[in-house]
Amino acid sequence: NAGVMQNPRHLVRRRGQEARLRCSPVKGHSHVYWYRQLPEEGLKFMVYLQKENIIDESGMPKERFSAEFPKEGPSILRIQQVVRGDSAAYFCASSPGAVPGGYTFGSGTRLTVV
Amino acid sequence: DQQVKQNSPSLSVQEGRISILNCDYTNSMFDYFLWYKKYPAEGPTFLISISSIKDKNEDGRFTVFLNKSAKHLSLHIVPSQPGDSAVYFCAATTDGGATNKLIFGTGTLLAVQP
Repeated sequence: NAGVMQNPRHLVRRRGQEARLRCSPVKGHSHVYWYRQLPEEGLKFMVYLQKENIIDESGMPKERFSAEFPKEGPSILRIQQVVRGDSAAYFCASSPGAVPGGYTFGSGTRLTVV
Repeated sequence: DQQVKQNSPSLSVQEGRISILNCDYTNSMFDYFLWYKKYPAEGPTFLISISSIKDKNEDGRFTVFLNKSAKHLSLHIVPSQPGDSAVYFCAATTDGGATNKLIFGTGTLLAVQP
């Protein structure tokens, strides 16, 4: 039973480039969440998606960030024109339904913008 | 605006003794609380949770206490083991746990000395 798979584990981008972070949820889980952890801070909610729908994107920056969870394939968090402040660990989690304790987190993608 | 606060960045405890991790919150709408444990380079793992209708929940060596009037919760680990050394995050949510957005504290690094 594979857990939540995130790739890449580490991603280095130059300022102005695009970053694409992928998340494959636990098999059978239809709810996906993205969180960001800045240095010395806790995890901050970004977006909650179900298949083909964005349910809550209240934590997403208004510009440059987008997320999708298509009918087929992984969930993608996309950051356009990255800046140094985007450097962080990005964690994806999945659950079979609306149960916070049922979250399974992936190991994260560490994005470094140089 | 940090709604969930963990004021101790780190804690060191001897093996076999009790570890007490503390968490304070400011939002009186929070009614469901969770603790997560995180090892380096891994995602957070759910440990234990408590609803606001309770003041204590126990699971093996882990007990969470909730004091609603003080807006304070604590996680007790007894006896502490070296494998418990990790960062512990407190998280809170609303709607009795049905919401999918978790608000995390900044974490406490627990070091259990052999």
